[in-house]
Amino acid sequence: SQKIEQNSEALNIQEGKTATLTCNYTNYSPAYLQWYRQDPGRGPVFLLLIRENEKEKRKERLKVTFDTTLKQSLFHITASQPADSATYLCAPSNNQAGTALIFGKGTTLSVSS
Amino acid sequence: EPEVTQTPSHQVTQMGQEVILRCVPISNHLYFYWYRQILGQKVEFLVSFYNNEISEKSEIFDDQFSVERPDGSNFTLKIRSTKLEDSAMYFCASREDRSNQPQHFGDGTRLSIL
Repeated sequence: SQKIEQNSEALNIQEGKTATLTCNYTNYSPAYLQWYRQDPGRGPVFLLLIRENEKEKRKERLKVTFDTTLKQSLFHITASQPADSATYLCAPSNNQAGTALIFGKGTTLSVSS
Repeated sequence: EPEVTQTPSHQVTQMGQEVILRCVPISNHLYFYWYRQILGQKVEFLVSFYNNEISEKSEIFDDQFSVERPDGSNFTLKIRSTKLEDSAMYFCASREDRSNQPQHFGDGTRLSIL
């Protein structure tokens, strides 16, 4: 069955450092991969989408890579801030319109000042 | 920016009762979804809905559950004969009818079964 693993449940870093979160998937050949942010008691909020033919995608301080050979995506937050503290979810997806998102358990990032 | 809205934000129900959770998706979106998140666990897919019918459902979405789009704006999830293990956050999501589009989530309804 499809399986998604995010590197660790919790990641603690200091303000200003780069946070790197890992998403590995198995039994999957996703056409694209999405990253979402979830704050406590709130719904997931879309951050970035990267397609299988894209190696890297950037948006402000965020960067996502997608390696279909390794079956892995890396999510980087540069110059991290306490406001970046949240749980980050990855969701590999196929190309069929309307496909459900299957999320990993997420990595909870804590940025201390 | 348009958003998905869900009501109520918190619903407390006695075990065995029926509950209806309501969602207003973003107006030009055509795909609708329900997910649930049990406390401390991951977000799990329940059902997707397109063109007035269920397009996909998970093993969780059994005969106890049903969905409906009763009018042009609302999308509902009905849970019949609720059980203690139905206690969770229920999220509604919607997306546009174009490929490679993200889903937009509401802030959920916290369902507590007593």
